[in-house]
Amino acid sequence: DVKVTQSSRYLVKRTGEKVFLECVQDMDHENMFWYRQDPGLGLRLIYFSYDVKMKEKGDIPEGYSVSREKKERFSLILESASTNQTSMYLCASSPSTGGGYTFGSGTRLTVV
Amino acid sequence: DQQVKQNSPSLSVQEGRISILNCDYTNSMFDYFLWYKKYPAEGPTFLISISSIKDKNEDGRFTVFLNKSAKHLSLHIVPSQPGDSAVYFCAAKAGGFKTIFGAGTRLFVKA
Repeated sequence: DVKVTQSSRYLVKRTGEKVFLECVQDMDHENMFWYRQDPGLGLRLIYFSYDVKMKEKGDIPEGYSVSREKKERFSLILESASTNQTSMYLCASSPSTGGGYTFGSGTRLTVV
Repeated sequence: DQQVKQNSPSLSVQEGRISILNCDYTNSMFDYFLWYKKYPAEGPTFLISISSIKDKNEDGRFTVFLNKSAKHLSLHIVPSQPGDSAVYFCAAKAGGFKTIFGAGTRLFVKA
């Protein structure tokens, strides 16, 4: 069964901490994405990557960075966590040929 | 500025009846539309899609209709089942692979 795996389901971090969210896919997909989901706002794209070591800013990249050193792994980094980054974070992947995304189960991050 | 809008936050339907979820978009460059379904504590799962060259796509109980002139699409679920209760996200692409999502509509199917 093909999968996108996010390393943590729940995280609680303190304001100012550096936070790493990890995502791994086993489908050999070229494209990977990080979204955050907030009530009333839907899913908003933070960053995406279409190849190893390549990254592009999404609609809300401020306060975040990403790393893609290997094809299967895409990491989201919160350089200095703030309370307004409390959210559900969703990782997704897709093949370069297009079609729908495969999502991970999400990481609910709370910044206190 | 939301390019993909789902104006109904929630919808309640009786089991066996039709569920109609609506979505409007503003970007005329969108050429591919998708619906995703999300259960609590799970990631969204792809449900059905439609290309802008078509006006209808059907997959079992699920049908998506596209009205390009009105920049409107809808998802019909017939008959609705309690297991269909979930949040449904409308999404759109303008070429490439970057997808824009709506805010979602929570569907309740009552037994």
